[in-house]
Amino acid sequence: GEDVEQSLFLSVREGDSSVINCTYTDSSSTYLYWYKQEPGAGLQLLTYIFSNMDMKQDQRLTVLLNKKDKHLSLRIADTQTGDSAIYFCAEKLGYQKVTFGTGTKLQVIP
Amino acid sequence: DSGVTQTPKHLITATGQRVTLRCSPRSGDLSVYWYQQSLDQGLQFLIQYYNGEERAKGNILERFSAQQFPDLHSELNLSSLELGDSALYFCASSSAAGDTQYFGPGTRLTVL
Repeated sequence: GEDVEQSLFLSVREGDSSVINCTYTDSSSTYLYWYKQEPGAGLQLLTYIFSNMDMKQDQRLTVLLNKKDKHLSLRIADTQTGDSAIYFCAEKLGYQKVTFGTGTKLQVIP
Repeated sequence: DSGVTQTPKHLITATGQRVTLRCSPRSGDLSVYWYQQSLDQGLQFLIQYYNGEERAKGNILERFSAQQFPDLHSELNLSSLELGDSALYFCASSSAAGDTQYFGPGTRLTVL
């Protein structure tokens, strides 16, 4: 089945690393995504990883994929107050169908 | 700026009414997706169009319908509105390859 789960809330101090976790159930997913949603705004694509990759790094962002455990994580290094937002993970199944997680609200404490 | 535009930004209407939300995809994108985001239901996929034809259907109510026009813009029609339809409605677009979806800024619908 299709189910993407995330914890609802994460609080970190400015300058620390944040790790947002996501689990999915369908092993046939082809792409996995991380989106960021700031208050009152749309979803902004942060990064994505092909299902045949284990890791992808993009500046302060590191995505880790554990296909065996169906676990995806997003690490934000040196977290800033501007990183406060809701982060959604999503998986792509079949032809263009994307299932989104419930979102994790990241609060960065100055 | 994702390149996806949505109008209007805000919409306030009454129960029983009908509204139309509009979306223009990124230049060159053939696919348009509609999502509903509410506090209690999260982000729900409604429907997808590809080059004018319906491609996939999600949790879209019968009171809702959509279409994609020859110029590739799309409209989402919501009728017989209920209080529970109050939500953010997002449109997203992707290229033919469909690797990634780019979201518009959303339309906030308030049904009073």
